[in-house]
Amino acid sequence: DGGITQSPKYLFRKEGQNVTLSCEQNLNHDAMYWYRQDPGQGLRLIYYSQIVNDFQKGDIAEGYSVSREKKESFPLTVTSAQKNPTAFYLCASSIWDPDSPLHFGNGTRLTVT
Amino acid sequence: GDSVTQMEGPVTLSEEAFLTINCTYTATGYPSLFWYVQYPGEGLQLLLKATKADDKGSNKGFEATYRKETTSFHLEKGSVQVSDSAVYFCALWARDTGRRALTFGSGTRLQVQP
Repeated sequence: DGGITQSPKYLFRKEGQNVTLSCEQNLNHDAMYWYRQDPGQGLRLIYYSQIVNDFQKGDIAEGYSVSREKKESFPLTVTSAQKNPTAFYLCASSIWDPDSPLHFGNGTRLTVT
Repeated sequence: GDSVTQMEGPVTLSEEAFLTINCTYTATGYPSLFWYVQYPGEGLQLLLKATKADDKGSNKGFEATYRKETTSFHLEKGSVQVSDSAVYFCALWARDTGRRALTFGSGTRLQVQP
């Protein structure tokens, strides 16, 4: 079955440590996205990528970094510079542009203490 | 910048009641509009969309009409079921800005009681 896999489902880190969230898709989609979900704030765009080796900042990119070395993979690193990293992170992909349906993973809940 | 405003939840209804979830937007040009749904413990999935003014999107008994004059895209269903309990997100894509990603609203939680 095709889909998006985010791992792990739950992640715990100490403050000051960088952490990388995994996102893999086997849908052959060109575009991939990272959103952050906080209660009462909906989804906010962190980064997105339309093609391999290219990505664009979203609305809240500070303290995050990404790479897109392979079409299937779009990992997100939460750095120690991110002031409030505890959140639910959602990865998505689409064929090309956002008019085509976004396919979402089931998310990773990151807790930083 | 582009933005989406949704009514605050939770919205609590009895089974078979009529549902309306309000959504208004601010955007450059003529955006595409979407409703996504998130069931407990899952990611979001597309419910319906409309890409131009006066278009009506529909799916699973849900409908929404793109109203350019009121910049709205309200979600409606004539008779809700317990299985419709979820969080509903309104979203837009403002293609004229060059940004190739969706802007989401804050989400509205729907709770349907038997």
